[in-house]
Amino acid sequence: SAVISQKPSRDICQRGTSLTIQCQVDSQVTMMFWYRQQPGQSLTLIATANQGSEATYESGFVIDKFPISRPNLTFSTLTVSNMSPEDSSIYLCSVWRGYGYTFGSGTRLTVV
Amino acid sequence: DAKTTQPTSMDCAEGRAANLPCNHSTISGNEYVYWYRQIHSQGPQYIIHGLKNNETNEMASLIITEDRKSSTLILPHATLRDTAVYYCIVRATLGGAQKLVFGQGTRLTINP
Repeated sequence: SAVISQKPSRDICQRGTSLTIQCQVDSQVTMMFWYRQQPGQSLTLIATANQGSEATYESGFVIDKFPISRPNLTFSTLTVSNMSPEDSSIYLCSVWRGYGYTFGSGTRLTVV
Repeated sequence: DAKTTQPTSMDCAEGRAANLPCNHSTISGNEYVYWYRQIHSQGPQYIIHGLKNNETNEMASLIITEDRKSSTLILPHATLRDTAVYYCIVRATLGGAQKLVFGQGTRLTINP
């Protein structure tokens, strides 16, 4: 299965600041998916990032808050902007690998 | 995608078979049943998927009823490392263009 590297693995940030999370895949993929997992909750899809086009956001998520870049077929970034404590979550990226989805190990974000 | 219903939590003794049920009574003919698990603080891990036939791999077996309205994931010899949240997901196609929608899953605890 694909190897996905996510950086940073964790961070503690001040409210009002922004954090950019990187996701690097070891092979080319068409679509990359970004999820959020709030404490004690299941995963919620934020957006789908397709190389060469704007990301598609799910209901409740907007580009101004979670801008996404997809500069090539192996890399994507998710920025969490103007953070508040409610943004404290694990953020995960995921790619399709022919039989199922592979997930990164996640970025654990704490906003203080 | 069809909605799934899973028990909130289950316990199983180490070394015994863990049987995790999932109801998906509104599943469509082209929808697959996927199982993922999430061990604490890690990204979800693909386990198995199937359409209508029973499936087995090195991790687990998937039993799908003839009417496809429910399925059971079987971990034949559960170990402590199988303690995790298990997600049953139904989605159309095998392709990577469709998102995964996670429910709340079943929290499986393997007891020594």
